[in-house]
Amino acid sequence: AQSVAQPEDQVNVAEGNPLTVKCTYSVSGNPYLFWYVQYPNRGLQFLLKYITGDNLVKGSYGFEAEFNKSQTSFHLKKPSALVSDSALYFCAVRDITNDMRFGAGTRLTVKP
Amino acid sequence: DGGITQSPKYLFRKEGQNVTLSCEQNLNHDAMYWYRQDPGQGLRLIYYSQIVNDFQKGDIAEGYSVSREKKESFPLTVTSAQKNPTAFYLCASSIFFGTNQPQHFGDGTRLSIL
Repeated sequence: AQSVAQPEDQVNVAEGNPLTVKCTYSVSGNPYLFWYVQYPNRGLQFLLKYITGDNLVKGSYGFEAEFNKSQTSFHLKKPSALVSDSALYFCAVRDITNDMRFGAGTRLTVKP
Repeated sequence: DGGITQSPKYLFRKEGQNVTLSCEQNLNHDAMYWYRQDPGQGLRLIYYSQIVNDFQKGDIAEGYSVSREKKESFPLTVTSAQKNPTAFYLCASSIFFGTNQPQHFGDGTRLSIL
């Protein structure tokens, strides 16, 4: 069965600095990978996905993610963090069985 | 604008009571899902429905029931058999089951025990 891990419960960065939120996965076959963001008392909002093709995926709000097959990773990145980026971020993976698995989430705090 | 509407936003359950959480979508999506979110555990799948009049158990279906009588609606009942119902419940939909398109989420219902 597929699984996804977000090794950091919490990531703190200063505004204007680059940010990285880590995600590693385990699947049979080729993965479909997703990043979502959740603000307090709201549902998840889709940021970006990797299906196939370029390893660097660009998404909403200036976020991007790098797919690394050899390291089975799909880290979320942004060159310059904003205070408004503070939220809970979820990585998710789907494989050929069509089950979607979510990571436990990483809380990002961007300090002014 | 199309989207998913969950109601109520907050719900309180008494001992021995069944409660029903509403989920309606106007995205014309075939597949719908219910997730439970607990702090530090991510999202866990309760039930999903690939199409009208069909639904399947997810990872944590015990103590829950669903119906899918209309394409737009996928209500979740939390029964008295669910001994630890306090959580944030999220409904989602996708154009069809197994798509590589993302799921769309409602804004959740927070359920607490009185």
